Amino acid sequence: ETGVTQSPTHLIKTRGQQVTLRCSSQSGHNTVSWYQQALGQGPQFIFQYYREEENGRGNFPPRFSGLQFPNYSSELNVNALELDDSALYLCASSPGLAGGPGSYNEQFFGPGTRLTVL
Amino acid sequence: AQSVTQLDSHVSVSEGTPVLLRCNYSSSYSPSLFWYVQHPNKGLQLLLKYTSAATLVKGINGFEAEFKKSETSFHLTKPSAHMSDAAEYFCVVSDGKVKAAGNKLTFGGGTRVLVKP
Repeated sequence: ETGVTQSPTHLIKTRGQQVTLRCSSQSGHNTVSWYQQALGQGPQFIFQYYREEENGRGNFPPRFSGLQFPNYSSELNVNALELDDSALYLCASSPGLAGGPGSYNEQFFGPGTRLTVL
Repeated sequence: AQSVTQLDSHVSVSEGTPVLLRCNYSSSYSPSLFWYVQHPNKGLQLLLKYTSAATLVKGINGFEAEFKKSETSFHLTKPSAHMSDAAEYFCVVSDGKVKAAGNKLTFGGGTRVLVKP
């Protein structure tokens, strides 16, 4: 069983640019969530996708957007990059209700993409 | 609304001694609670989870946590620390309300564990 994978591993951009991060969910998982982890802090929820629809959003501006594809992989897009966007971006997949009542909200994380904005 | 407070930002223990990481939570519904560990330059790994079954939860690598509703706490313990336990630990809450797909996770600020030889 393949776990959650993310690409690229590292990325350096300059302020004002746009970036796309990618995530492949674990086999059998239909839900993908994205988190931002700034240095020295806990991850913060950006948004969640379920069956290609946004299913909840955290306190992030609209320049953070996403997509989920029919195979449940996902993209995170960030426009007009700011210095404060420098962080580790984590993708997590979960089985949703398909995992049963005890596991519907258990999330499995990828290794993350380290974004540096200069 | 849900929130998590990890009471210690850093914990230092000697190898072979007990580890205690403290966590208090707030949730509008019956919560699900998790502990995740993050080793340097690695992703998050689930240590254990509480989802309204037994209040004492056993996880991987000898860790366990006890859910105490009256104290809104979910402290993580291990009887004997190992050098490989040095990492960042996150207490996480997800509200128990069932939605179509799942629930967002709310993380605490993390506790960095240092294990001295």
